Amino acid sequence: DAGVIQSPRHEVTEMGQEVTLRCKPISGHDYLFWYRQTMMRGLELLIYFNNNVPIDDSGMPEDRFSAKMPNASFSTLKIQPSEPRDSAVYFCASRWGLNTEAFFGQGTRLTVV
Amino acid sequence: GENVEQHPSTLSVQEGDSAVIKCTYSDSASNYFPWYKQELGKGPQLIIDIRSNVGEKKDQRIAVTLNKTAKHFSLHITETQPEDSAVYFCAASSRDNYGQNFVFGPGTRLSVLP
Repeated sequence: DAGVIQSPRHEVTEMGQEVTLRCKPISGHDYLFWYRQTMMRGLELLIYFNNNVPIDDSGMPEDRFSAKMPNASFSTLKIQPSEPRDSAVYFCASRWGLNTEAFFGQGTRLTVV
Repeated sequence: GENVEQHPSTLSVQEGDSAVIKCTYSDSASNYFPWYKQELGKGPQLIIDIRSNVGEKKDQRIAVTLNKTAKHFSLHITETQPEDSAVYFCAASSRDNYGQNFVFGPGTRLSVLP
């Protein structure tokens, strides 16, 4: 398996535009996580899914953020409209079962100007 | 919910010396504690983990200890090498009725000086 695959690796967009980040988890994993990493706040959990169902989205900053997992092999994180304070590195991670290793993707570096 | 603290935030050691990073957690129900290493421009990668039924685990130069009573766990790196320079994150599992996620500490930037 190629690991967790995220796209794009880098995204630069203007304030107010819609941004969609994509993630392909490792095949067979039943948990998927979206994290945001900034210098100020570290690694923040935004939302996680279990068997494609959103379990906890309390970390989603506001209604501008939404995430979907239409099937076991794909998830999206959407920001609409984007703002400069959304600039960060967004990571997707997947895991199988409980108390096991979470595998992280390479991340998407988002810059909103 | 779970809260994880991590110290120090930065650590510099001479090559060959040992490095110790300490974490505390708040939820006594947490039972899985992974440590991740993040190199520049990459995603975090697991280096070692420990479960609550074990007090210590070792893998070559890396060891982790867990004190469930005090709710703290530590990462020990011996004979440090320049390639150990990275940001290290501890994490604790947080379980609810529907699933389990990880809560990460704020990270420790380790610099190994040649």
